[in-house]
Formats: sequence, structure tokens, C-alpha cells
Amino acid sequence: DTGVSQDPRHKITKRGQNVTFRCDPISEHNRLYWYRQTLGQGPEFLTYFQNEAQLEKSRLLSDRFSAERPKGSFSTLEIQRTEQGDSAMYLCASSFVTSSNTGELFFGEGSRLTVL
Amino acid sequence: DQQVKQNSPSLSVQEGRISILNCDYTNSMFDYFLWYKKYPAEGPTFLISISSIKDKNEDGRFTVFLNKSAKHLSLHIVPSQPGDSAVYFCAASAAGGTSYGKLTFGQGTILTVHP
Repeated sequence: DTGVSQDPRHKITKRGQNVTFRCDPISEHNRLYWYRQTLGQGPEFLTYFQNEAQLEKSRLLSDRFSAERPKGSFSTLEIQRTEQGDSAMYLCASSFVTSSNTGELFFGEGSRLTVL
Repeated sequence: DQQVKQNSPSLSVQEGRISILNCDYTNSMFDYFLWYKKYPAEGPTFLISISSIKDKNEDGRFTVFLNKSAKHLSLHIVPSQPGDSAVYFCAASAAGGTSYGKLTFGQGTILTVHP
């Protein structure tokens, strides 16, 4: 399977704990995105990387959130001191963007976070 | 503020008939629009897109129409099939290379196609 893969698929944690999600994008894609989706809503943009550079972060991404893409391949999203409001589906997506295409996003299946 | 709105939370259609899903947007900077389909326990899957320089784009049974003056787009599925039953998200992005992939999504419409 050469699609976007995310791990773990589901994480249950207690409030105050740290969690980390991993995303492996499609190998030839140069952009990697993180989105968050809560129940009954569409995905919301959090941040994206062009190769290893983090180019933009949403205001939704508080100081407790940090994302990395150390070698321009896989990415991690860490949430420190989790709160119940962090409970959501965290979606990773990748795309191949050039000056002449629009680079539709390919999403992974998501990592569902439940904070008790 | 909800910059992309899908005002119908759900739509029920008979197999073989047309499904029309609607989407409105408020941000004039948006110039690229996409539809994604999502099955339970899966990530969204790209369906079809349209650039603001067009008013229609067709791909098999799926057609997207864009009315820029009304800031409205719609997705037509003809004929509808039971396998089309899913949540459909409308999404939009602004122009420019750094904006591609930074999508603003609507809330989604649950489409149910009955055999």
C-alpha cells in the first residue's frame, strides 16, 4: 500500500498526558499537511510542510502542539498536556505541488484522539 | 466564521436519480474548489475540482458547477448509486502556490442513496 499511513489509529489518554502521532506520506510528495476534524465538522487546517520546512501554522495550533518533519519524509505531531478539547480526529495529507499543478491532497485514515 | 458552508446536513436520493449537493462560500480570495468524499473510518478522498476560471468541470458521473458571482458551487451525481452513500465535503483554497493544500472545508453533507 503506497498511500498515506498514520499511526496510531486510535489513542486514548488521560488529561495532562503527552501524545504523539506519526504520518508517513506518499513517498514522492513534497508537501505534508496536518488537519483536525471534530464531530459534525469538516477538517480544519493546522499546519503544513514543504519538504522539511514548516511553512505555515494555523491559529488553532496552540503552544502545546508541535509538528516536525525532520528529513522531509515522515512527520510527527505532538500534543503536550492534553485537554479534553483536544479530542478529535487528526488527519495527515500529502501532495505533490509544482508551479503548474494544483496538488490535490491525499489523506490518511486519521488518528483518533480521545482525552479522558 | 464559517467561510465555506454546506447548509444541508443530509440528502436522501433514490438509486438512478440525480444527487445535487450544494456549497456556498464567502471569501472572495478563494479561487480553487474541490469536493471530497468520506466513508466511515477512512480519510477523505478527492473527487473532483474546479478552478475559478471555469464554470463547469465533468468527470464521469460527477459534475461540479461554479457560480462565482453567487459564490456558490454544486456537485451533481448522475446517476446516483448506493456506493455513493458517504459524507461529501466541499473545500476551497486561495490562489498561489503556498495556498494550495491549505483548504477550508464545509461541514459536510451525508448522502444516502437508496436501492
